[in-house]
Parts: sequence; structure tokens; C-alpha cells
Amino acid sequence: QKEVEQNSGPLSVPEGAIASLNCTYSDRGSQSFFWYRQYSGKSPELIMFIYSNGDKEDGRFTAQLNKASQYVSLLIRDSQPSDSATYLCAVRQGGNEKLTFGTGTRLTIIP
Amino acid sequence: DAGVTQSPTHLIKTRGQQVTLRCSPISGHKSVSWYQQVLGQGPQFIFQYYEKEERGRGNFPDRFSARQFPNYSSELNVNALLLGDSALYLCASSQGSASNQPQHFGDGTRLSIL
Repeated sequence: QKEVEQNSGPLSVPEGAIASLNCTYSDRGSQSFFWYRQYSGKSPELIMFIYSNGDKEDGRFTAQLNKASQYVSLLIRDSQPSDSATYLCAVRQGGNEKLTFGTGTRLTIIP
Repeated sequence: DAGVTQSPTHLIKTRGQQVTLRCSPISGHKSVSWYQQVLGQGPQFIFQYYEKEERGRGNFPDRFSARQFPNYSSELNVNALLLGDSALYLCASSQGSASNQPQHFGDGTRLSIL
């Protein structure tokens, strides 16, 4: 079992719709959860981070965390073509800085 | 404020050579981490340094080494390069070790081994 799992996609969503990206993790000791966006040929860019169970909203983005189910998700509302990218889920245990990444989900917003 | 800066942006080497990659963290950030990202995969953790001390090491061979300087900048060294070392090498900085603050990535160094 991979430590952090994501559907590789591609996930195609019409412009203006809600894109839902999912991530599961295996280590119950994980404490911090991050979503990064990566455009082709570029480096990862931090979108959201969440530490507590529940929802965290920032503009069009909402991160959701359920530690009991070991599940974290990212919702993108009013999807735009510029949201087309690979979205990386990353998990960090407490006490160190090491991020464990999933393989990423490729999202395509269709105009 | 400047973000994480890495140099060089691109590098081409041949098998067996050695390479040094450089990273300057965001001003005020004391922790630097290095990651390797091969095409189609997520970044893999190589090292973390905080206050010039190694605080974490990933599952990479001893050919990989790193250090952090008093100004918190860092270098990653890779010896005896192999074709499989071709990847995007990413540096990330954060405010402190286990600070619970997110890491921010530089633009990376794309290393190609011929």
C-alpha cells in the first residue's frame, strides 16, 4: 500500500463546475496535510494546508480533512481553464519536515 | 520578498560525474529540504536541514549529500551520477523544523544525465 494515494486521472471538469480531488494516506500519525498545484514543467505551488478535521476555505478552494477515514480532499469551485494542472497531495508527520507526496491528479478544465 | 531561489536552472552531465545544486531559502526561513521529482511522480524527500544540522534523510544512496551554511542557504551534492539521477531537483524552505508551517518550493534544477 502506498503511503499517499491519489487517482492519477486525468480528471476532466467543465468550466464553471466543481472539481473534486481526493487523497488517502496510510500513516495515522500524520498531522499536516497540503495541496500543491504543479503546472507542466514548473515546480509545485502551495494551494492549501489543513491540520484539523473539517473544512478550510480559501477563495474558490476548500480543503476537507477526515482523520478517522484517513482522507483529505480539495474542492475547486467555479473551475477555470487556468486551474488545469497536476494537483499533488502531501502529508507530514509531526516532529519533522518530511513531506510524503502522492503521484498527483491531472486535472483538465474544459472550456 | 524573494521566494526560494535555486541554481542552476538546467544542468547536463554525463554518467560518473559529480554535481552541486544550490538553494537560497526565503528570508527568515531556517529549514531547507531537498526533493527529487522524476517525470510522472510526486517529489521524493532527500534531506532536511535546520540550523546547519541534518534533521532528516530519505531513502537515497550515500552518493547524495548536502549541507547548510550559516546564512541558511544549502547545497545538494550528487556523486558518481547515474542515468536514473535525471530528474527535477526541488528545494523547499520553511520557518523552522517541525514548525507546522508549510514548505515553499523553488523553481527547481532540471538535471539531465547523458
